Amino acid sequence: DTEVTQTPKHLVMGMTNKKSLKCEQHMGHRAMYWYKQKAKKPPELMFVYSYEKLSINESVPSRFSPECPNSSLLNLHLHALQPEDSALYLCASSQVKRTSGDVNEQFFGPGTRLTVL
Amino acid sequence: SQQGEEDPQALSIQEGENATMNCSYKTSINNLQWYRQNSGRGLVHLILIRSNEREKHSGRLRVTLDTSKKSSSLLITASRAADTASYFCATTKETSGSRLTFGEGTQLTVNP
Repeated sequence: DTEVTQTPKHLVMGMTNKKSLKCEQHMGHRAMYWYKQKAKKPPELMFVYSYEKLSINESVPSRFSPECPNSSLLNLHLHALQPEDSALYLCASSQVKRTSGDVNEQFFGPGTRLTVL
Repeated sequence: SQQGEEDPQALSIQEGENATMNCSYKTSINNLQWYRQNSGRGLVHLILIRSNEREKHSGRLRVTLDTSKKSSSLLITASRAADTASYFCATTKETSGSRLTFGEGTQLTVNP
């Protein structure tokens, strides 16, 4: 199974709502990522989890709260978002890079299209 | 900040023609990867080239890497309408762990 799944596909929320995005993979990958992508722009890294521990937080506002409950699941909890947070949120997974020679091809899910009203 | 720049930003060709996209980056890299993204969907890994390699082939794809010029090119031969997508280069650095830094992307349109 080389698939990364994301739910929901689309999400519309108000600025006072709390919602969660979910990501799942069964490839045995121990690195998982959240990216944000605006239209016609490249993905921007938000968070990286390595062995279920947060290893990179790219100075993301606290209204985004990641969680990695186990090696297959990654959540992104959303609270008090702003309209400018509307974007495609992509989850990815990969092998953990152990040495400089390791490669880290990332496998991406289809994304959640988020609209904040 | 994004390390890579790609050109052209948009490319429109006819089916059967070749498409060439270029990527430049600013700092030393460990490897460079190319990804494809169909409209509003996830990214798909196409090919990876390590910093000590100069050229790599995979099917109709050919990637070159020139570390002295800090640039790479992706050539798609005999293009098909199904190749219509955005193409991104992404680099990893020795010290950046698993972090991928994406270029701005090239929107390729292949007209039937």
